Amino acid sequence: DAKTTQPTSMDCAEGRAANLPCNHSTISGNEYVYWYRQIHSQGPQYIIHGLKNNETNEMASLIITEDRKSSTLILPHATLRDTAVYYCIVRVARAGSYQLTFGKGTKLSVIP
Amino acid sequence: GAVVSQHPSRVICKSGTSVKIECRSLDFQATTMFWYRQFPKQSLMLMATSNEGSKATYEQGVEKDKFLINHASLTLSTLTVTSAHPEDSSFYICSARPAGTEAFFGQGTRLTVV
Repeated sequence: DAKTTQPTSMDCAEGRAANLPCNHSTISGNEYVYWYRQIHSQGPQYIIHGLKNNETNEMASLIITEDRKSSTLILPHATLRDTAVYYCIVRVARAGSYQLTFGKGTKLSVIP
Repeated sequence: GAVVSQHPSRVICKSGTSVKIECRSLDFQATTMFWYRQFPKQSLMLMATSNEGSKATYEQGVEKDKFLINHASLTLSTLTVTSAHPEDSSFYICSARPAGTEAFFGQGTRLTVV
């Protein structure tokens, strides 16, 4: 699975959009970009994933560059409850179960 | 949505004793579950893959005789930390993936060995 690079930490004002970047310059054509987050002392929570088109769900939007070498997770209106470590993971999506390889992630702090 | 539940959420045990952690898939069957470990301020590290009806697969450096995994049914996997030592104190998390969806994680178990 391709390696990802994320900033160590970011701050965001409450109510503003949080834009979390992820670099995955070695991504292969059949690898998806997944985002999970981990609130302190909890298990990770799935947020969103995509292949090459931009995706949006009730939690966030995922913007993937045309060359697919980077992506941005957007939380449109950050709240204090969005304070967490956000993990960008790249891997092939296949049938069956598979483990996820977590990097260090980005610690997002939402500030009142 | 799919739910993966762990029990207990916190446990304190004495050195030398064994501790069992349960991971259940509440509304789906999971032939495979994954066990991760997370030390303070570090990321999740995969320990082992639990396979229903067969032996678990352990990652390099994880002692299979110390971390016993049993996956006796399609909804339950257990991790037993045997002869626990203070260095085994960590946050243990399990994961499972329903068919056609993404991976779900348990809420984690905080183990403290004193």
